[in-house]
Amino acid sequence: KQEVTQIPAALSVPEGENLVLNCSFTDSAIYNLQWFRQDPGKGLTSLLLIQSSQREQTSGRLNASLDKSSGRSTLYIAASQPGDSATYLCAASGNTPLVFGKGTRLSVIA
Amino acid sequence: DTGVSQNPRHKITKRGQNVTFRCDPISEHNRLYWYRQTLGQGPEFLTYFQNEAQLEKSRLLSDRFSAERPKGSFSTLEIQRTEQGDSAMYLCASSLSRPTGNTEAFFGQGTRLTVV
Repeated sequence: KQEVTQIPAALSVPEGENLVLNCSFTDSAIYNLQWFRQDPGKGLTSLLLIQSSQREQTSGRLNASLDKSSGRSTLYIAASQPGDSATYLCAASGNTPLVFGKGTRLSVIA
Repeated sequence: DTGVSQNPRHKITKRGQNVTFRCDPISEHNRLYWYRQTLGQGPEFLTYFQNEAQLEKSRLLSDRFSAERPKGSFSTLEIQRTEQGDSAMYLCASSLSRPTGNTEAFFGQGTRLTVV
């Protein structure tokens, strides 16, 4: 059974810092790994999708990497802004639908 | 296409009542998923459809829960005899299934259920 863990559970940084969010998964037989953003009381917004054959994906200030062999993915956020404050969730997809971690709650302080 | 749409956005119901939620996926997506999320937790899988076929149901989906996707387009999730423990955000997502795996999944804004 796939299990996804995200560390840290919460993170507070000053504006402008670069930061890394971590995601680990137990079953390396995944098709893809997807990162989402969730604002309080809202649905999930897809940020990046990494196919199992890929090592990383980039979108603007976001870069996500995938290492299937070690069961890890990271989300790198460059030059953080207060508008980046949200919960970030990773989810692994294999033969089963997306399995989510509990998320990392990020606060960027102006 | 405006993305995945869920209705209603909020529902307050008395314990014991039945409620039904609707999800309209992205039109070309053949997979539709239902998840439930409680405060401070990640979304938990409930069930999913490929076209009109319900392919998997989580053990979280008690016999009070039923989901349908009658024409392979929109889906409904019904909860009968609601309990206070059913209070949660119910999320719907859709994606396209391909032989090489699923495409990016997109989520709706969710339906917030409060059982009083």
